Amino acid sequence: TQLLEQSPQFLSIQEGENLTVYCNSSSVFSSLQWYRQEPGEGPVLLVTVVTGGEVKKLKRLTFQFGDARKDSSLHITAAQPGDTGLYLCAGNYAGGTSYGKLTFGQGTILTVHP
Amino acid sequence: NAGVTQTPKFQVLKTGQSMTLQCAQDMNHEYMSWYRQDPGMGLRLIHYSVGAGITDQGEVPNGYNVSRSTTEDFPLRLLLAAPSQTSVYFCASKPRQGYTEAFFGQGTRLTVV
Repeated sequence: TQLLEQSPQFLSIQEGENLTVYCNSSSVFSSLQWYRQEPGEGPVLLVTVVTGGEVKKLKRLTFQFGDARKDSSLHITAAQPGDTGLYLCAGNYAGGTSYGKLTFGQGTILTVHP
Repeated sequence: NAGVTQTPKFQVLKTGQSMTLQCAQDMNHEYMSWYRQDPGMGLRLIHYSVGAGITDQGEVPNGYNVSRSTTEDFPLRLLLAAPSQTSVYFCASKPRQGYTEAFFGQGTRLTVV
């Protein structure tokens, strides 16, 4: 079983602070996604990264894919209470029996206090 | 568009009972899957289907059965419910197996007592 380690599991910060969430694996991804999940809802896709070294920005969110395609990070600048939620990374591992299957990290519960 | 629809949203079962969690999508997606979500463990793949008539096991298939008689529907059956199956269940679909983004339903919260 391939593991996707996500950290930290919990983040509690004040409005205006910056934060970074990490996602690491010992295996290579063909692509990696970041989802956000609200209470009582299913995960919703934020971004997909495919190319090693790729950086994508979504307003105050910056997503980076490692050069070796084994790790990724999500950085939020000047966090706001509306950013509160569960953030999940999910990877599509390259080839073999893992084709098309998503493997999820454990998730990061982010709370941003006003 | 409805997207991915799961029913019921909440269910309480007694140990040993059986039930079926329903999942339907109206996007003509070939690929459908079931996950369970437990605290601190992210989402884990139970079963998946790459098209009508084709299903396969995921990471945690024991205690669950699936079938895919139509493109739209992918029900998940619990034959003998156990407390260890208390979880939130999510159905997801995507256009084809190699597509990256998955579209999720709103989930079914199941409690087995």
